[in-house]
Amino acid sequence: GAVVSQHPSRVICKSGTSVKIECRSLDFQATTMFWYRQFPKQSLMLMATSNEGSKATYEQGVEKDKFLINHASLTLSTLTVTSAHPEDSSFYICSARDPAGGPNTGELFFGEGSRLTVL
Amino acid sequence: DAKTTQPPSMDCAEGRAANLPCNHSTISGNEYVYWYRQIHSQGPQYIIHGLKNNETNEMASLIITEDRKSSTLILPHATLRDTAVYYCIVRWGTDKLIFGTGTRLQVFP
Repeated sequence: GAVVSQHPSRVICKSGTSVKIECRSLDFQATTMFWYRQFPKQSLMLMATSNEGSKATYEQGVEKDKFLINHASLTLSTLTVTSAHPEDSSFYICSARDPAGGPNTGELFFGEGSRLTVL
Repeated sequence: DAKTTQPPSMDCAEGRAANLPCNHSTISGNEYVYWYRQIHSQGPQYIIHGLKNNETNEMASLIITEDRKSSTLILPHATLRDTAVYYCIVRWGTDKLIFGTGTRLQVFP
């Protein structure tokens, strides 16, 4: 099946630094990718929709200047957490849809997740 | 907001069928029911989806009531590796997936 890969799987950074997380679709081209965040013992919260070649669409309450999303190619989307603080520590997960699945079989494939710890 | 209601937790003995219910009473005619699961510290995994007919694949079966207001995911022979949080999601077309709180299934020996 289709595979989505994230890198890095774990990252620890100092407060005030920026961290970039990559999401790649390995065997299909994804015009749309989604970024989620998950705090311990909570569900996934959708942060933004990443569109290839255009600006990302952010969910209400998500700061677009803090969580920069770039979708420069059909197989790569990046999420940059700028000026990270301890409250940004979380599990970040991306997903992508294989358009070959057709309009109503939009199975989303998820990456393995990236655990960010901000000290 | 999630448009589904699931019990927060369930237990199941290994080898037995696990039946996970989901209520989606406000589902619209063109929305599909999707099931995903998330094993601890991993990304969610797709299980199955359906519109109105019952569906079966190598992982599970999905039973959707005739009025489509509820559904049940069936894992026919649960194993310890099926311990996970199971999410029932209603979704139109290729719209974004909005996760609710899910059901934490614990399979015990």
